[in-house]
Amino acid sequence: GAVVSQHPSWVICKSGTSVKIECRSLDFQATTMFWYRQFPKQSLMLMATSNEGSKATYEQGVEKDKFLINHASLTLSTLTVTSAHPEDSSFYICSVAHGRAPDTQYFGPGTRLTVL
Amino acid sequence: RKEVEQDPGPFNVPEGATVAFNCTYSNSASQSFFWYRQDCRKEPKLLMSVYSSGNEDGRFTAQLNRASQYISLLIRDSKLSDSATYLCVVNRGGGFKTIFGAGTRLFVKA
Repeated sequence: GAVVSQHPSWVICKSGTSVKIECRSLDFQATTMFWYRQFPKQSLMLMATSNEGSKATYEQGVEKDKFLINHASLTLSTLTVTSAHPEDSSFYICSVAHGRAPDTQYFGPGTRLTVL
Repeated sequence: RKEVEQDPGPFNVPEGATVAFNCTYSNSASQSFFWYRQDCRKEPKLLMSVYSSGNEDGRFTAQLNRASQYISLLIRDSKLSDSATYLCVVNRGGGFKTIFGAGTRLFVKA
């Protein structure tokens, strides 16, 4: 299956700063990538669908101006958490889709964000 | 009510035990069903797809009951390495509307 990497794997930042998380598809050209967020002991929540060359589609309740997504190439999507606050502390996971079913989604290893 | 519901557990079982997890979903239009495994602080990994006819992969058996809108996962002869959180995943279809359950935690003890 596709190999997906994320960088950084963990980050600690001060409140008010912006944090950029990269998601790379290493061996597959991904026209679609997904960004999820997972709080402790909760399920993964889809934040947005990232489409190469076009604007991301955000899920209801996710602020597009706070979570900036850029999918500039077929192998890279970035998520920027702007003006991060402690409540943004979470596990952010991206996935790459091969086809139209989640069994062909390949997940990155995740990025653990802690905002102090 | 959550669209996909699972018993959070935890299930504490001895090695060699058989354990079953259930999951219910509320959207009758759901089309695809899966079980994922997630280890602590790691990404989810696909365990198996779930079909109406049922499917088996070694010690793991998955079943789907569309009429009752529930999915099950049976693990036989539990191993220590089976300790993880098991996520029930439903795809609504019509695109990539994937809904994850909150997961069921399993601890297998020696």
